Amino acid sequence: QVQLVQSGAEVKKPGSSVKVSCKASGGTFSNYAISWVRQAPGQGLEWMGGIIPIFGSANYAQKFQGRVTITADESTNTAYMDLSSLTSEDTAVYYCAKTDLWGQGTPVTVSS
Amino acid sequence: DIQMTQSPSSLSASVGDRVTITCQASQDIGKYLNWYQQKPGKAPKLLIYDASNLEPGVPSRFSGSGSRTDFTFTISSLQPEDVATYYCEQYDNPLHSFGQGTKLEIK
Repeated sequence: QVQLVQSGAEVKKPGSSVKVSCKASGGTFSNYAISWVRQAPGQGLEWMGGIIPIFGSANYAQKFQGRVTITADESTNTAYMDLSSLTSEDTAVYYCAKTDLWGQGTPVTVSS
Repeated sequence: DIQMTQSPSSLSASVGDRVTITCQASQDIGKYLNWYQQKPGKAPKLLIYDASNLEPGVPSRFSGSGSRTDFTFTISSLQPEDVATYYCEQYDNPLHSFGQGTKLEIK
């Protein structure tokens, strides 16, 4: 059974970047859309962008255009989300998701 | 981006009650709508896809309806384990967006 396994918690300085990985364990995700969703403490879900690995190109929510890059490596069944110019407002749990299957979440804390 | 307006933001009901949550899209999204349940500290769980299809393994007391811009999510008989926050998500490709969420509590 496929699982989405994300990389571990991160603590970053303001102005830096973070890269979170999401590996499909036990299967492949090439034909499926993978979304990245974040949730700030006590807040709702926010869709950041997504990619269909077999097609390669990503789509981004307007709010994150120019600051987020989503990629996928079909050879390793791994998707990546790279977020730059971090501020304290980016402190959140970041999830990768395939609609019916979600990763465990990666907490990212941005603090000086 | 398409905006999703979900209401109410919170809801308190008794065990056995019928509970209804609505989502309105800012433009026609056909039936490209999911409903999720999220419990504290957990990832969201898909309950309904394509507006009205029940995800396998999800209890039949959960249902969804609607199309184009207006959607409804219903719990026919509220159970204690249904305490959670519920979200709608539109996926009128290629961009998605979520409603603000509805926090459901037991009276």
